[in-house]
Amino acid sequence: GAGVSQSPSNKVTEKGKDVELRCDPISGHTALYWYRQSLGQGLEFLIYFQGNSAPDKSGLPSDRFSAERTGGSVSTLTIQRTQQEDSAVYLCASSLVAARLAGKETQYFGPGTRLLVL
Amino acid sequence: TQLLEQSPQFLSIQEGENLTVYCNSSSVFSSLQWYRQEPGEGPVLLVTVVTGGEVKKLKRLTFQFGDARKDSSLHITAAQPGDTGLYLCAGRRGGGSEKLVFGKGTKLTVNP
Repeated sequence: GAGVSQSPSNKVTEKGKDVELRCDPISGHTALYWYRQSLGQGLEFLIYFQGNSAPDKSGLPSDRFSAERTGGSVSTLTIQRTQQEDSAVYLCASSLVAARLAGKETQYFGPGTRLLVL
Repeated sequence: TQLLEQSPQFLSIQEGENLTVYCNSSSVFSSLQWYRQEPGEGPVLLVTVVTGGEVKKLKRLTFQFGDARKDSSLHITAAQPGDTGLYLCAGRRGGGSEKLVFGKGTKLTVNP
């Protein structure tokens, strides 16, 4: 497909278990973002990848959260020892860095993964 | 502390009515974007404004960036049920920051 895809679309897990969320960005997009959207809240920035540069991890809420991006394409967000407060929609977005530098960046979002921690 | 405050949080109106959604901050932004998000989907960009005082129109939607680049508004004329969704404003602080700061959103329902 031409858009950003995310999997799984829904995930139910038990407290304490680890989960992995996957994001396939638009081909050719070098910038990739992860956000968290909790009920009644806006999007909370988690982490940003740009090409081969070191990722900006400043939004990760705790050391239970980590993410990697292999080969400059697919990204995986991992949450270890999940807690109930981790329940949220996790959104991935990709963009062209050249557009951002020109002040015209459009972030293209995937449909999100709905995580429920019981 | 929420950098971008959106109001109202919820808005339910009848088809054909006009409405305005506000996005306010005490901080200056180099650019500001408006997104619309429908249930089960990710946000979709509607517009980007970069110049203080800028006004952009997208059919029945009018977006304005404040002169001081601290606030923005979205005005919808003759709302349609298809306008229903969550409207999010997002700002970039500039100075090399890659991060977008999002408001909490305005949930709009347009009843037929």
